[in-house]
Amino acid sequence: QLQLQESGPGLVKPSETLSLTCTVSGGSITNSDNYWGWIRQPPGKGLEWIGNIFYNGSTYYSPSLKSRVTISVNTSKNHFSLRLTSVTAADTAVFYCARLHSSGWAYFDYWGQGTLVTVSS
Amino acid sequence: EIVMTQSPASLSVSPGERATLSCRASQSVSSNLAWYQQKPGQAPRLLIYGASTRATGIPARFSGSGSGTEFTLTISSLQSEDFAVYYCQQYHNWPPTYTFGQGTKLEIK
Repeated sequence: QLQLQESGPGLVKPSETLSLTCTVSGGSITNSDNYWGWIRQPPGKGLEWIGNIFYNGSTYYSPSLKSRVTISVNTSKNHFSLRLTSVTAADTAVFYCARLHSSGWAYFDYWGQGTLVTVSS
Repeated sequence: EIVMTQSPASLSVSPGERATLSCRASQSVSSNLAWYQQKPGQAPRLLIYGASTRATGIPARFSGSGSGTEFTLTISSLQSEDFAVYYCQQYHNWPPTYTFGQGTKLEIK
């Protein structure tokens, strides 16, 4: 059974960089049918797609976050990572990593449990 | 950028009754539409993809329909475990974007 687990600091100061890692177990991150994505959810609000990465490093980002986001992949460790720069309180959210099934229809079929990141001094 | 609009924002339905949730895209997304269920404190769960195909393990009381810009999620006979927030999500192939709707909260009447 595929599992994804987010990890990283739960508290980040304003103007600093948020960094999270998603470790994939029970399957290979190099599966060519899948991208790997990050989605966030501010407290009490809806879901916002951040971006995706393929195992070869190909990325797609949300236009609204593109200037501040970098997603990278480490195939030897079977994990991928998110960096979000210049954070403000508006970036406080639960961050989810997820597998994007991308062969044919595109949908997020496996999700991590989510990790809350608070931006505060 | 494609905008997804869900209606209503909240819906109160009695157990055993039918619930109909709507999702509208600001431009055609063909059938590139998925539905998710989210319960408090949990990650979203995939229900429907390709607008009408149930994901593995999803009960038959969940059904999706529509194409282009208008989509519907129907839950035929609500069970207690179905009360949750439901999100639609579109996929646009170029540039690749995966926009979510703002959600519909399904509450017990």
